[in-house]
Amino acid sequence: SAVISQKPSRDICQRGTSLTIQCQVDSQVTMMFWYRQQPGQSLTLIATANQGSEATYESGFVIDKFPISRPNLTFSTLTVSNMSPEDSSIYLCSVVVSSYNEQFFGPGTRLTVL
Amino acid sequence: AQSVTQLGSHVSVSEGALVLLRCNYSSSVPPYLFWYVQYPNQGLQLLLKYTSAATLVKGINGFEAEFKKSETSFHLTKPSAHMSDAAEYFCAVRKAGANSKLTFGKGITLSVRP
Repeated sequence: SAVISQKPSRDICQRGTSLTIQCQVDSQVTMMFWYRQQPGQSLTLIATANQGSEATYESGFVIDKFPISRPNLTFSTLTVSNMSPEDSSIYLCSVVVSSYNEQFFGPGTRLTVL
Repeated sequence: AQSVTQLGSHVSVSEGALVLLRCNYSSSVPPYLFWYVQYPNQGLQLLLKYTSAATLVKGINGFEAEFKKSETSFHLTKPSAHMSDAAEYFCAVRKAGANSKLTFGKGITLSVRP
C-alpha cells in the first residue's frame, strides 16, 4: 500500500489569500492526483500532477487558480489562490500504486475560507 | 467516457439488518470498480475492488460486492449492519491501467438505527 500524508490537516483562511497544501508519499509513484470534496458532495478531480511537466487540469479548473508542483516522485503541492468562501472544501491528494491496481487517498486538508 | 450512478443519497437500516448500496456504471471498456468508505471527518478508505478476477469480491469489515456485467452493476452488501458502519460510501470506476482516472459516484450516506 501507500501511506500519504498531507499538511496542513485543516486551516481557516481569509478571503483573497492563498494556501499551499503539501502531499508526501512514502514510496515513488507515477500518478498523483488532487481532488476537491465540497461540503456534502462527492469527489471532483482537479488535476493530475505530472513529475517534470505541467499538471493536467480537468474542465473547470485552471492553473492560475490551482497551481500544482511535482518536483519528484514522492511529493506534490497544490496552491489554492485568491481564495473565496466557495473554495471551502476538503482537498485530497491521491496516488495510484500500479502493483496493487489501487488508488490511495491522503487524509485530506479541510479548508474554510471566511 | 465512464460514469457511476448511485441512486438515492441516504439509506437507513436497523442494526443487524442487511445492507444494500446500489451502484451502476457506464464504461466503454472493461472497468475496474471500487467501493470507498468515508467515516465522519476522515479520509477515504478502500473497502474492496474488482479488477477482472473473481466477480464476487470480499472486502474489509464484512462487506462484499458482485460485479454483474449484464446489469452493469456493482452493488455493495453486508449481511448484518453494525452501528460502526454508519458512514458515506462512494462507488468509483476507472479503466484498466495505472494512467487512467478514477470517476466517483455522488455517494450514499448509510445510517444504522439501534
